[in-house]
Amino acid sequence: AQTVTQSQPEMSVQEAETVTLSCTYDTSESDYYLFWYKQPPSRQMILVIRQEAYKQQNATENRFSVNFQKAAKSFSLKISDSQLGDAAMYFCAYRSAIWPGTYKYIFGTGTRLKVLA
Amino acid sequence: NAGVMQNPRHLVRRRGQEARLRCSPVKGHSHVYWYRQLPEEGLKFMVYLQKENIIDESGMPKERFSAEFPKEGPSILRIQQVVRGDSAAYFCASSIIPRGGARDTQYFGPGTRLTVL
Repeated sequence: AQTVTQSQPEMSVQEAETVTLSCTYDTSESDYYLFWYKQPPSRQMILVIRQEAYKQQNATENRFSVNFQKAAKSFSLKISDSQLGDAAMYFCAYRSAIWPGTYKYIFGTGTRLKVLA
Repeated sequence: NAGVMQNPRHLVRRRGQEARLRCSPVKGHSHVYWYRQLPEEGLKFMVYLQKENIIDESGMPKERFSAEFPKEGPSILRIQQVVRGDSAAYFCASSIIPRGGARDTQYFGPGTRLTVL
């Protein structure tokens, strides 16, 4: 069975600085997706970034980028130029891409990010 | 958020009552997932449905919980005889699987927060 681990329950970053959130996962599959979701106090799940395992290039979305290390099964999220609006819970998630399948997401326990003014 | 709607947003029930949670997927999406988020935890998969079919219910408690996704209308998650431990946020997500592949992203609704008194 696949597992996702986020070992940092809480992180803090000064506004305009850079922070990296860690995520490791375990799987025997070769094809899968990895995601980072943001959950603000409203509880809405917002997709931040997604990475396809077969792509070696790290995904980037504006101030958000990932460091995907497939062999090490590591998928960290880097937030550059942190803003107050980035404060939220961040969840790492895994989804199989093997066909056919159920494609359920497996989430980590989350990292609460605080942004200090 | 690509338009998944859930209602009600907040639901209060007394122990022993029934709870019905509704999810309207993004128009054209025929795959629905339900997840449960207990306080201070990540989301946990409950059930995956396609129109009129339950595909994977491996995350559903064996008793009191049921789900359906009829040909017409929203998906319903039903919890009978609720207990305090059912208090949680319940999220619905929908997806469309592109022809010929397993590449998709799940779009999440805003969640229903169930409180059992």
